[in-house]
Amino acid sequence: EPEVTQTPSHQVTQMGQEVILRCVPISNHLYFYWYRQILGQKVEFLVSFYNNEISEKSEIFDDQFSVERPDGSNFTLKIRSTKLEDSAMYFCASSEIPSTDTQYFGPGTRLTVL
Amino acid sequence: GENVEQHPSTLSVQEGDSAVIKCTYSDSASNYFPWYKQELGKRPQLIIDIRSNVGEKKDQRIAVTLNKTAKHFSLHITETQPEDSAVYFCAAGYGNNRLAFGKGNQVVVIP
Repeated sequence: EPEVTQTPSHQVTQMGQEVILRCVPISNHLYFYWYRQILGQKVEFLVSFYNNEISEKSEIFDDQFSVERPDGSNFTLKIRSTKLEDSAMYFCASSEIPSTDTQYFGPGTRLTVL
Repeated sequence: GENVEQHPSTLSVQEGDSAVIKCTYSDSASNYFPWYKQELGKRPQLIIDIRSNVGEKKDQRIAVTLNKTAKHFSLHITETQPEDSAVYFCAAGYGNNRLAFGKGNQVVVIP
């Protein structure tokens, strides 16, 4: 069964550094998402992406965040200048269609900002 | 935006008993309600979902009920087994394609 994959599984970085988290969505899916989960808290929506542009974003997704689909398979989340409070588990998800369709989650990347 | 509350935060049940987790949501426009199971160190896995035109859905030992008037939905697990031990997240789909999650519920099935 196809799965969403994410790399790396764990990323440690210094405050102020840029990080890029990578995801490979399920191949026939058209909608892609990033969520994050700070330890002990809810999973929070960051952004959705369709047809090479952002479809929706939350108030968390400020100017330090960006997303890109650099090729036909990868979907990336870039954090330009990391802060301590960016430490979280970041989940990528994908779905065939939006709204009431199932979103399949990747295994997550644990980002630790020191 | 949508706000999803999930209760209780932890639930311990004897193997073979039933477990019920309840969630409430705030936005009456929400129309999709999935439940995810997350085992330690693994990805959230969809276990069942319900759309707003349906009041109840069942899949073997798992069922979900939706009360749109009261804006709450519940997950029911019958004949619980040790492998049901996990964190369960409810969510509500709103807007074009975003999910708002509850805080999660740690279910412990005691053999």
